[in-house]
This record gives sequence, C-alpha cells and structure tokens, in this order.
Amino acid sequence: QQPVQSPQAVILREGEDAVINCSSSKALYSVHWYRQKHGEAPVFLMILLKGGEQKGHEKISASFNEKKQQSSLYLTASQLSYSGTYFCGTGSNNAGNMLTFGGGTRLMVKP
Amino acid sequence: DTGVSQNPRHKITKRGQNVTFRCDPISEHNRLYWYRQTLGQGPEFLTYFQNEAQLEKSRLLSDRFSAERPKGSFSTLEIQRTEQGDSAMYLCASSPVGGLTEAFFGQGTRLTVV
Repeated sequence: QQPVQSPQAVILREGEDAVINCSSSKALYSVHWYRQKHGEAPVFLMILLKGGEQKGHEKISASFNEKKQQSSLYLTASQLSYSGTYFCGTGSNNAGNMLTFGGGTRLMVKP
Repeated sequence: DTGVSQNPRHKITKRGQNVTFRCDPISEHNRLYWYRQTLGQGPEFLTYFQNEAQLEKSRLLSDRFSAERPKGSFSTLEIQRTEQGDSAMYLCASSPVGGLTEAFFGQGTRLTVV
C-alpha cells in the first residue's frame, strides 16, 4: 500500500523552513527520500534505516519513527533550488531499491 | 560515466503496437530497476534485476510487459499490444549491490499511446 505524504503542496519564501511527512500502514525497513524537478529524473536525498542509520546529504535532515511507521523530511533555510516534488519511498527489506513511493509533496520556494 | 541513460526519450505509438525501451545503467552497478510514473504520481515499481537475474516483478505488471537484462549490462522493457493506459513515463534506475544505497534514476522514456 502506498505511503501517504503530507502536505500535498507547500509554498515558502526563501529562508523559511518546511517539514514533509510520510506515513505508512505497513511495517517498514527503510524510508528513502527523493526530489524531482519538472521534466527531470528523481534525485536521491536520504535513506533512513530501521535501527537508526541514515545515509544522505549533510544539509538535509530527516527522522524515522519505526513504531509509528512515519518519517519526516526537514528543509531548513530553504533556497530557490529546493523547489520540486518530494517523494518518500518505503522499503520492506534490505534487498534493494524496490520501493513503494508516495504521491509526492510539491514544494515551491519563492524569492 | 554520464549516469543512467534511457532511449528513446519519447515514443508515440498506436494502440496495439509493440514498443521496446532500453536502459543503460551506470557501468559498475549490479542492480537495475524499472519504474512507471504517471502525471502527478510517484514512481511505481515494475521489476528488479541483480546482474542478469530478474529477482522481483510487481504483481501489477501484466503479461504484456517483459523485461530482460542479458549479460547483466543494459536492460530492455517491452510492452506488447499497447493500450492507452500504458501511457506514462518509464524510469530506469541502478544501484550498486551491497545493502541499501542510493538509486540513480535515468531521465525516462515518455510513452504516449494514441
């Protein structure tokens, strides 16, 4: 079942912060975050693993609550380049990137 | 290395025709994935290869869809007897083997069935 992302869309001014949430009804092994700009390929941001390990970019932070099967992506001091659609993908094992993606959160950062 | 390459970038076909897409992954990546993305939605997993072995296939994938990865290098995705509902962006991604790592996506092939 597809994870649910919230909000569906958000508009920010440069320098403002945002939180994007991802919630699943299934037990999760991992949560993967990607950003996709219009007409481009999804680009990796972060992986959060059961047990607390994280792999990703230093300027992006995220949390993973295994009990609640939820993850949140924190975007601080947003820049124009942060604009795009953010997807969370959930994995049920460590066998690879066979992910179930949410419907996305559209983020627009204005000057 | 220029990343994951997909060809063609765009394909328009008539309903009922067969189409084939190609994906060239990053050269040292053993794992290859196909996803489908429709407008306004997240990517939907279709199938997964480790080297030449197809290890996973989505239950959503009808028998009109087939994928191969001969010799564990490039991969092809064929859709037979295309339907209008097949219109979507078909994304390929690759990643190195060994635990969970980032997947690198190609820019996709946009299929329009008319």
